[in-house]
Formats: sequence, C-alpha cells, structure tokens
Amino acid sequence: ETGVTQTPRHLVMGMTNKKSLKCEQHLGHNAMYWYKQSAKKPLELMFVYSLEERVENNSVPSRFSPECPNSSHLFLHLHTLQPEDSALYLCASSQGLAGITDTQYFGPGTRLTVL
Amino acid sequence: GQQLNQSPQSMFIQEGEDVSMNCTSSSIFNTWLWYKQDPGEGPVLLIALYKAGELTSNGRLTAQFGITRKDSFLNISASIPSDVGIYFCAGHLEYGNKLVFGAGTILRVKS
Repeated sequence: ETGVTQTPRHLVMGMTNKKSLKCEQHLGHNAMYWYKQSAKKPLELMFVYSLEERVENNSVPSRFSPECPNSSHLFLHLHTLQPEDSALYLCASSQGLAGITDTQYFGPGTRLTVL
Repeated sequence: GQQLNQSPQSMFIQEGEDVSMNCTSSSIFNTWLWYKQDPGEGPVLLIALYKAGELTSNGRLTAQFGITRKDSFLNISASIPSDVGIYFCAGHLEYGNKLVFGAGTILRVKS
C-alpha cells in the first residue's frame, strides 16, 4: 500500500463512451500526476496538478480531461477514446513539485481497454 | 537528449544469481530513483539517490549515483522468485527538475 488508491482497477469502454478514472491520495501531498504506461515504453507524463492548479499538460489530446477538486483527489475524464489509448493509467502524488526529494508515490493503476 | 537508456530490456536468471541493470543518459541528473512494478500494480520506490557517487542499499538491493551524474546502476544479490517484475530507473533532470523514466527492465527468475 503506497497511500494512493485508484478506481476502477480495470475498465473496458467503447469509443463512444464517457467514463472517469479516480485517484485518491492519503498522504497529505500537494501535487498529483497522471501518467500513461504502454508496454515497453517509458512512463508518459500527462498532467500535473499542484495545490489543485494544473501546472503541466504535456500535449495530451482533449479527449482526456483532468479534474482536481482538492489536493487529495484527481480525476481523468475520458470521452471518444481511440483503441490506441488502451494502456495502464497511473496516478501519483508527491509532497511538492520543486524539491528533488519530492518523491512520487504511485497508485496501482487503471488498466483501460478501448474497443 | 532527455531520454534515459535502460538496459538490459529483460533478464531471465536462475534463482540465487546476482542481477545488475543500469541507466545512462547524455543529460545530467540531480537525483536517481529506482522503482519496481509488480504485475498489475503501480511502481513502488525502492531506492532514491541524491548525490553523485552515493551508494545506497536496501536489503539485497544496492544502487549507485554515477560520478558523472549521467548514469546509475541497480544490483540485486541472491535473487529470489519474488524479485520478478519490471524495474524502472527515473531521474530529475539538472535543468527544470523534470522527472523522466527509463523504459524498464523485465526481470524473470527461474526457481
């Protein structure tokens, strides 16, 4: 248990569906992240939030829409996804952003399959 | 560039053997981190390194921050079946402090 939980753990959706991924951290951290993990590739950073403000958006398609209502919760809203969006989506949190000791702690991920 | 080159891509070893993997880059890093990811789970931090030359152990794991600040290695001694998983290196770039990840080393252990 890393203190970061994600739901659902598995999700299968059609290209026309709308769904949301949820992440919750119980560590009192101020920063939260969404990553995409595809097989045999480095983790791809998608979004970064610090104190509920989005501070980074790495050219992610608009069919992915993040929401951070408070420092403990992070959502990723999905709509009209493509099959190539199938991947493991990982949430992470860290105490802060700027310090090199702000280690990121990861949730277990949501395995997303787009049909 | 910012890419981390992690090698080997995969390893299939006998239980009890020692394992070594490394990450290199043309960029300079302020930190090096080593994570392990079990099947169906997220990465879990194993070791964090903050100074060039630093050598840190965590049980049977030992990692070092290269003197040039462009590389790091992870050693696992006397491997056991539960060492199976994907090991990722990661580091904070010198400029901008962005965290970048390697592509991972898949470790399989034969008992």
